[in-house]
Amino acid sequence: GQNIDQPTEMTATEGAIVQINCTYQTSGFNGLFWYQQHAGEAPTFLSYNVLDGLEEKGRFSSFLSRSKGYSYLLLKELQMKDSASYLCAVNSGNTPLVFGKGTRLSVIA
Amino acid sequence: EAGVAQSPRYKIIEKRQSVAFWCNPISGHATLYWYQQILGQGPKLLIQFQNNGVVDDSQLPKDRFSAERLKGVDSTLKIQPAKLEDSAVYLCASSLAARSSYNSPLHFGNGTRLTVT
Repeated sequence: GQNIDQPTEMTATEGAIVQINCTYQTSGFNGLFWYQQHAGEAPTFLSYNVLDGLEEKGRFSSFLSRSKGYSYLLLKELQMKDSASYLCAVNSGNTPLVFGKGTRLSVIA
Repeated sequence: EAGVAQSPRYKIIEKRQSVAFWCNPISGHATLYWYQQILGQGPKLLIQFQNNGVVDDSQLPKDRFSAERLKGVDSTLKIQPAKLEDSAVYLCASSLAARSSYNSPLHFGNGTRLTVT
């Protein structure tokens, strides 16, 4: 089976840095995705990691450790518009992408 | 490029009624997915098509749900008869390739929010 765990909710202050963690147990691994989903909207692709290490893309970075089954999404210089759900999803090869339950981030002034 | 189009945006029906959702993927995307997203949860795959063939429908409740992609482009998802627990957002997504990657992430439509009363 596959299991993906993320915190349900997080709150952070505008301008700060927040780290959203994701742990997974899957049979096989072929990459991990992070998606952002604003309330009532479609999930949008943020990042993809298939090798260990940090991938940086502007204010957002994503880290992967395959041996630990662990990833995090780092958001810097938080803005109010970053308030959204962040979905961790794992590709375990021949099966379609499996999503975690998502972390609802609230950015406060 | 135009995104994934879905309709209707909202639908309210009574239990035991039927409902159908439509999806038009991004042009050129061979792979199409239907996901169900219950409030407060992540998307759960219902069915995956590669062109007009089914790749994975292991989580589709086949006694009441059906989906087709006859010409390998548009797709419809049907529920008949609906139950209260079917209340959710139904998301359609498409991708270039069957295996998701940096060059072939899933692109989602805005979804259809179904309420069953």
